[in-house]
Amino acid sequence: GAGVSQSPSNKVTEKGKDVELRCDPISGHTALYWYRQSLGQGLEFLIYFQGNSAPDKSGLPSDRFSAERTGGSVSTLTIQRTQQEDSAVYLCASSLFPGATGAQYFGPGTRLLVL
Amino acid sequence: GIQVEQSPPDLILQEGANSTLRCNFSDSVNNLQWFHQNPWGQLINLFYIPSGTKQNGRLSATTVATERYSLLYISSSQTTDSGVYFCAVMDSNYQLIWGAGTKLIIKP
Repeated sequence: GAGVSQSPSNKVTEKGKDVELRCDPISGHTALYWYRQSLGQGLEFLIYFQGNSAPDKSGLPSDRFSAERTGGSVSTLTIQRTQQEDSAVYLCASSLFPGATGAQYFGPGTRLLVL
Repeated sequence: GIQVEQSPPDLILQEGANSTLRCNFSDSVNNLQWFHQNPWGQLINLFYIPSGTKQNGRLSATTVATERYSLLYISSSQTTDSGVYFCAVMDSNYQLIWGAGTKLIIKP
């Protein structure tokens, strides 16, 4: 596609519910990244995919967070049993090459509010 | 781990002014990027600049890798330049380490 897309753009959920966030990277981009940004804060790295595999999952805040990528394209970030501190903007980015080469391009984000 | 420091933290300018934003990093890197986050939250990649100088319209950036800093120049600033400018460098685990950002406000 022309750019990175994310859905939903906004999500309001109740504490304890599960949510799924979706990211569609730029077509042909091999690397995909998830970040989250709390209000007024910088970006926190969550996870990175090279193809369908995630070499490093240490950025995930807890075992309630999981992510997968299928077909080297779409990725889903799942948060189980959401807590109020999970409220943030979840951003996805993709880059043409994996590893240390190249620019990352960001989607518009999913704004998650846990009540 | 790598530390990234940006300065100044806040900058208020009149339309038409020029500005220089600085990013210092604590270790050698081979991936450095500048981003602009607009008031609606969208992150735009401005430059991928691990070394050297690049220019794009009114914006230019220079990274001196041996001295571990990068500069972002904005000339003839416009109100649409307002937002937060982030510098980010990639560590050995392919994670982008982000500075705290420079919040820029351009007054008409």
